[in-house]
Amino acid sequence: NAGVTQTPKFQVLKTGQSMTLQCAQDMNHEYMSWYRQDPGMGLRLIHYSVGAGITDQGEVPNGYNVSRSTTEDFPLRLLSAAPSQTSVYFCASRLGKRGSSPLHFGNGTRLTVT
Amino acid sequence: DAKTTQPPSMDCAEGRAANLPCNHSTISGNEYVYWYRQIHSQGPQYIIHGLKNNETNEMASLIITEDRKSSTLILPHATLRDTAVYYCIVRVDTNAGKSTFGDGTTLTVKP
Repeated sequence: NAGVTQTPKFQVLKTGQSMTLQCAQDMNHEYMSWYRQDPGMGLRLIHYSVGAGITDQGEVPNGYNVSRSTTEDFPLRLLSAAPSQTSVYFCASRLGKRGSSPLHFGNGTRLTVT
Repeated sequence: DAKTTQPPSMDCAEGRAANLPCNHSTISGNEYVYWYRQIHSQGPQYIIHGLKNNETNEMASLIITEDRKSSTLILPHATLRDTAVYYCIVRVDTNAGKSTFGDGTTLTVKP
């Protein structure tokens, strides 16, 4: 039972490069979301999706794009990486229809932008 | 979503109960209280949640005050492996309910 799988685990980018962080879940969860966590801080919501074809912005969406073409996958795209985007990125999912469902988190992608 | 307030840090002796408080004075009637913890830099792990009644599972107990404006997470017999950052979150009971994380409480269990 894989749960939420994030790839890659580590990534180093140069300023201006683009990349996509992958997130996949095998629990048939409708709701998926991306968070970033800076050192010593809590998690901040970047984008979320309540189902295939539906996405919305969280607290810190600037510099990131998302799409949700399938229930299983929710990739996060950095179009032009900046040093301020150096962080640990977590993907999380939960059942959508039932309100009282907890989030399941992946193990994170550690991104460094130089 | 309602905001929560937690103390930044707490200590607990190994084997004793750890009681972690959380204030959520603006909570709405359809918002659940959730607790998660994050060990080192791993992804947060779900612990427990509740709406009005107290809840207990194999990991912890959750005590919610009658007015629902605060709650306490209880780890009955803390171990060194319970050292982590604990997050209290309130989330509306809808499909689009977002989970907003604060800075949490860093619990240090000492031998």
